[in-house]
Amino acid sequence: AQSVTQLGSHVSVSEGALVLLRCNYSSSVPPYLFWYVQYPNQGLQLLLKYTSAATLVKGINDFEAEFKKSETSFHLTKPSAHMSDAAEYFCAVTRSGGSYIPTFGRGTSLIVHP
Amino acid sequence: DTGVSQNPRHKITKRGQNVTFRCDPISEHNRLYWYRQTLGQGPEFLTYFQNEAQLEKSRLLSDRFSAERPKGSFSTLEIQRTEQGDSAMYLCASSYIGGQATDTQYFGPGTRLTVL
Repeated sequence: AQSVTQLGSHVSVSEGALVLLRCNYSSSVPPYLFWYVQYPNQGLQLLLKYTSAATLVKGINDFEAEFKKSETSFHLTKPSAHMSDAAEYFCAVTRSGGSYIPTFGRGTSLIVHP
Repeated sequence: DTGVSQNPRHKITKRGQNVTFRCDPISEHNRLYWYRQTLGQGPEFLTYFQNEAQLEKSRLLSDRFSAERPKGSFSTLEIQRTEQGDSAMYLCASSYIGGQATDTQYFGPGTRLTVL
């Protein structure tokens, strides 16, 4: 079985501040991990993915995430928030073998204040 | 690369009517997934295809839901006898499986269904 927990349904930051969105996973086999962003009334856009190569993964728009096996975490960070980063962010886990059906977290809404 | 497309983008229907949604995946992708997303939740897996074969359908929400991918290209999701609880965003995603590919899913814009 696999699951994803995103801590905090809402995260509020000031423009220019560090963004930290938390994701913890559980998986009985080595996981693949993803972060997606969703803007209102749109589909999900892939930000970055971890697929057992480098543990620090860089994505689009200066986002990055670090896979920490000991902590079963895959937190998303960005050094400096921009107003356009305001959106819903989803963490997802799937497996390196098997049926590849991903499990998504409930999402974290990022609010950016001017 | 034209991305994943879904039609219609919005559908309003009356309770009891049937609705059908279409998804056109990225052309070289052999897997296609359907999800439902309700307000404040992440995508909930419904079913998926590899080429024309439907490999998992036990998570379709009820026997009113069905999906097809007749030629391994586009797919349709049908909901019969719609209920107000079916109101949601229906998302389609596609991916490529093979070789070293890691099944990264690319999503379409979704179809928002409102059942009155």
